[in-house]
Amino acid sequence: DVKVTQSSRYLVKRTGEKVFLECVQDMDHENMFWYRQDPGLGLRLIYFSYDVKMKEKGDIPEGYSVSREKKERFSLILESASTNQTSMYLCASSLDSFLTSGRKETQYFGPGTRLLVL
Amino acid sequence: SQKIEQNSEALNIQEGKTATLTCNYTNYSPAYLQWYRQDPGRGPVFLLLIRENEKEKRKERLKVTFDTTLKQSLFHITASQPADSATYLCATTYVYNFNKFYFGSGTKLNVKP
Repeated sequence: DVKVTQSSRYLVKRTGEKVFLECVQDMDHENMFWYRQDPGLGLRLIYFSYDVKMKEKGDIPEGYSVSREKKERFSLILESASTNQTSMYLCASSLDSFLTSGRKETQYFGPGTRLLVL
Repeated sequence: SQKIEQNSEALNIQEGKTATLTCNYTNYSPAYLQWYRQDPGRGPVFLLLIRENEKEKRKERLKVTFDTTLKQSLFHITASQPADSATYLCATTYVYNFNKFYFGSGTKLNVKP
C-alpha cells in the first residue's frame, strides 16, 4: 500500500514565522502535490512537482514555496505565515500518467496538517 | 479554469436506502472523473474512477455514472450503512494534463441507523 506521511498533524505558529511542512511518500511516485482545504472551497492546488527539483505553480501559489530535493520528499514553505494561511494542508502523490498510459492516475493523500496561524 | 460543483448541503438518508451524490463540471469534458471519500481530520481516499468513454462503473455497493451530455457524474451507494457517513469528493483530469486534478468541495453524507 502507498503510504504518504506528513510531518505534523497539528501546528500552531505566529504571524511572520517561517513554516515548513514536510511530506514523504514511499512508493517511488514521480508526482507530488500540496493542497489546502478550506470549508466550502474544497481542495485547492498550491504547487505540484513532477520530478526532483521540478515544480509548477498551482492555483494559489502566492505566499508559498516548495522544495523537492529527493524523489520521496516534497516540502511546502510558508515564507512569512499570515492568519489567512490557517487551513488544512494535504499532501498527495501519484504515478506519472506517461508511465501508466492514463490508466491509474489516482492520488494518494497524507493525513493532513492542520495549521493555525495566530 | 475548470469548475467542479458538488451539492454543499449535507445529504441525510436512512440506513438501507440508496444515496446518490452529484458532481457537475463546466467547460471541457474531463478525460476521466474520480470519486474520493474523506473522513473528518483525514486525507481523501480513492474509491472509483470512470473514463470519458464509459457510462457506468461498479465496485461492490458503489456505482458511478458519467453523462458527458449533461456534464454530470452521479455516485450511488446502495444499501447504505452508517459507516458510509463521510464527505465524498469528485475530481476531474483532462487530456491536456493528466497529472493535474480539479476537486469539488465535496458533499457530506449522513446515514442514520
